[in-house]
Amino acid sequence: DIQMTQSPSSLSASVGDRVTITCRASQSISSYLNWYQQKPGKAPKLLIYAASSLQSGVPSRFSGSGSGTDFTLTISSLQPEDFATYYCQQSYSTGFTFGPGTKVDIK
Amino acid sequence: QVTLKESGPVLVKPTETLTLTCTVSGFSLSNARMGVSWIRQPPGKALEWLAHIFSNDEKSYSTSLKSRLTISKDTSKSQVVLTMTNMDPVDTATYYCARFYCSGGSCVYWYFDLWGRGTLVTVSS
Repeated sequence: DIQMTQSPSSLSASVGDRVTITCRASQSISSYLNWYQQKPGKAPKLLIYAASSLQSGVPSRFSGSGSGTDFTLTISSLQPEDFATYYCQQSYSTGFTFGPGTKVDIK
Repeated sequence: QVTLKESGPVLVKPTETLTLTCTVSGFSLSNARMGVSWIRQPPGKALEWLAHIFSNDEKSYSTSLKSRLTISKDTSKSQVVLTMTNMDPVDTATYYCARFYCSGGSCVYWYFDLWGRGTLVTVSS
């Protein structure tokens, strides 16, 4: 199975900050990479699919980039509602593995 | 409105078999652009994909849990059922069903675009 890692595991940031989260796959997955946001007690929400495509209704401050094994989720200007845990997920092969998550909290 | 809803027991005993049902509305389980997965999340931990079923009834399972899982669907009832045998306290988690959707004309990129609210299953004697 393809293994996914994320860094950092957690970060503290302030409203207005630019935040970058990195996801790495154990083998090349082309652009088959998705990003989700999860708030406590809620189901995950799709933010980005195919590495860089913004899901309908998601604010444009979220963006994704990368291909192969290395990917990035960027929040250009952190808003109060963005404090959450973020997960990457590969859809290249069965197993559809998720990363361990990155928790973004308030500095 | 497109929704998924999980149902099943909140408490199971060790060694018992868990049966969960995902009832979908607003889309058909026969739609070739869609499938349904089960995903779980132990308290305070990460998401773990368990199993998937496509519209053509093709199934896939987590490598580590394959021997314990069975997924099936009843298109007429708009339901996807997951069974997990030999439950253990480490299987305590919130279990989600999610729609796996493919975008674009060539249906290349797949992602979980819709999720149920999840159901917490506790394994304890």
